[in-house]
Amino acid sequence: DTGVSQDPRHKITKRGQNVTFRCDPISEHNRLYWYRQTLGQGPEFLTYFQNEAQLEKSRLLSDRFSAERPKGSFSTLEIQRTEQGDSAMYLCASSFSIGNTEAFFGQGTRLTVV
Amino acid sequence: AQKITQTQPGMFVQEKEAVTLDCTYDTSDQSYGLFWYKQPSSGEMIFLIYQGSYDEQNATEGRYSLNFQKARKSANLVISASQLGDSAMYFCAMREGHQGAQKLVFGQGTRLTINP
Repeated sequence: DTGVSQDPRHKITKRGQNVTFRCDPISEHNRLYWYRQTLGQGPEFLTYFQNEAQLEKSRLLSDRFSAERPKGSFSTLEIQRTEQGDSAMYLCASSFSIGNTEAFFGQGTRLTVV
Repeated sequence: AQKITQTQPGMFVQEKEAVTLDCTYDTSDQSYGLFWYKQPSSGEMIFLIYQGSYDEQNATEGRYSLNFQKARKSANLVISASQLGDSAMYFCAMREGHQGAQKLVFGQGTRLTINP
């Protein structure tokens, strides 16, 4: 399978714990995006990378959130001191940087904070 | 202000009928891109169709077509000959930012149910 891969698919954690999600983009893509989707809503942009550089962060990305893409390949999204409001689907996507090409999404990581 | 508006929370259509999903958008940019994605229950967002703001022709991809009315700021998705597998959430999205960056703003979605 050469699509966007996310791990884990589901995560249940207790409030206050830290969690980390991983995204493996399509290998030829140099752009990688993170989105958050709460129940009944469309995805909301969180941040994106071009290669290893984080080019933009949404105001939704509080200080408890950090994303990395150290070698310009896979990316991790860490949430520290999780809160119940962090419960959502976290979607990763990747695309080329040239032209108006679409982003390809992974199947997401569903986080439940109890 | 909401930039993408999808006014139909749910749609029910008989199999083989055509269906139109509504989308209106708001932007002051001259250059922008409009996308439709399908999200089945598995959660993955599947790209369906793209329309650039300067494209003079409506985009088509197989059974999908985009009815782009620039003056009205609408970008409705038309699915011809619907199939049971078309049942899913459908999201309209607009690209913000510089060309190519897929920083997308999504609408709230329309849940489409195809009845046999």
